[in-house]
Amino acid sequence: EVQLLESGGGLVQPGGSLRLSCVASEFTFNTFAMSWVRQATGKGLEWVSTISAGSTGTYYADSVKGRFTISRDNSKNMLYLQMNSLRAEDTAVYHCARGRLGGVKDQFDYWGQGTLVTVSS
Amino acid sequence: AIQMTQSPSSVSASVGDRVTITCRASQGIRNDLGWYQQKPGQAPKLLIYAASTLQTGVPSRFSGSGSGTDFTLIISSLQPEDFATYYCLQDYNYPRTFGQGTKVEIK
Repeated sequence: EVQLLESGGGLVQPGGSLRLSCVASEFTFNTFAMSWVRQATGKGLEWVSTISAGSTGTYYADSVKGRFTISRDNSKNMLYLQMNSLRAEDTAVYHCARGRLGGVKDQFDYWGQGTLVTVSS
Repeated sequence: AIQMTQSPSSVSASVGDRVTITCRASQGIRNDLGWYQQKPGQAPKLLIYAASTLQTGVPSRFSGSGSGTDFTLIISSLQPEDFATYYCLQDYNYPRTFGQGTKVEIK
């Protein structure tokens, strides 16, 4: 069974940085695009970023562009989200998710349970 | 960015009812749309992709239709486990955009 497990969340002050990780298992990680999707408490889903299988393409929501960087290490089956200049509005549960067919253009067929990021002084 | 507008924002229904949720895109997105179910404390679950194709393992009481700008998710006979929040997501282009969600509540 495909598994995605996020880590790295926590409490950080406004303006601070945090790096989220997602470890993938039970599928050929280097053939699938991966994404981050977040959800503030009691709010809807918000797509954050996507990276292609070979890291040749990256995409960002306007709300995080220039502050967040998505990356991956296919040798370790790891997905990352480096978050800088954090704001209160970045407070959310962050999920990693897999693209259904592998390409950057598709729905998300597997999701992790998420890691909570809280930005507060 | 393409705006995805879902309606209604919430619906109260009974077990056995037929429930219809709609999603409208601010521009044509062909059939590049998916539907997700999310229960409290859980990750979203993909129900339908390409507007009308049922994801493996999803019960056949769920169906999707539409193309262009108007899309529909139908639950033909609501079951107790279907009470949840449903979201649409366009994968036509970037940035990806979700609908605001429809909460299906017990009547």
